Amino acid sequence: DAEITQSPRHKITETGRQVTLACHQTWNHNNMFWYRQDLGHGLRLIHYSYGVHDTNKGEVSDGYSVSRSNTEDLPLTLESAASSQTSVYFCASSDRTGGVYEQYFGPGTRLTVT
Amino acid sequence: QKEVEQNSGPLSVPEGAIASLNCTYSDRGSQSFFWYRQYSGKSPELIMFIYSNGDKEDGRFTAQLNKASQYVSLLIRDSQPSDSATYLCAAESGAGSYQLTFGKGTKLSVIP
Repeated sequence: DAEITQSPRHKITETGRQVTLACHQTWNHNNMFWYRQDLGHGLRLIHYSYGVHDTNKGEVSDGYSVSRSNTEDLPLTLESAASSQTSVYFCASSDRTGGVYEQYFGPGTRLTVT
Repeated sequence: QKEVEQNSGPLSVPEGAIASLNCTYSDRGSQSFFWYRQYSGKSPELIMFIYSNGDKEDGRFTAQLNKASQYVSLLIRDSQPSDSATYLCAAESGAGSYQLTFGKGTKLSVIP
């Protein structure tokens, strides 16, 4: 079955370290998204991509970067991890189904920055 | 700024009752709306979407859309304890956009 996976599922890192979170989908979807979810803030969009070599900033992109070298993967990099980036990170992908673009989420990565 | 507003709850209903979850949105250009269910510690799961005014039914779930009032709702009939979760409302971020703007979610508790 087609799916979307994220790795690692849990990560503890130190302030200042570079961290990369992986996202892989086998639906062949063009659109991919990264969100963070924090208590009191809900889901907030970090970066998104509409196809290979396309990347765009979302609402809370400072300190994060993405690259899209193929359809299946959109890795999220924290250039220099900060305690404010402790959060749960979700990757999602979408394509047109029944007239709308339904987004499907990966299982999430819980990141703790100490 | 495009916003989607939901009552954070918690909303408590007895088992077998109808749960009513509500959502308002600020962007009149939004055409499509989505309801997600999120169990504690899990990722959001798409329940259903709606893009036409009126009602859309899928099993025990009914989504309702009123574009004039910028209002979306989700009714859950015959609520079960397994329906206890946080429900997220999302709006397409402008007509034809692939992005979604999410509300902060309403926590539903179904009491046996």
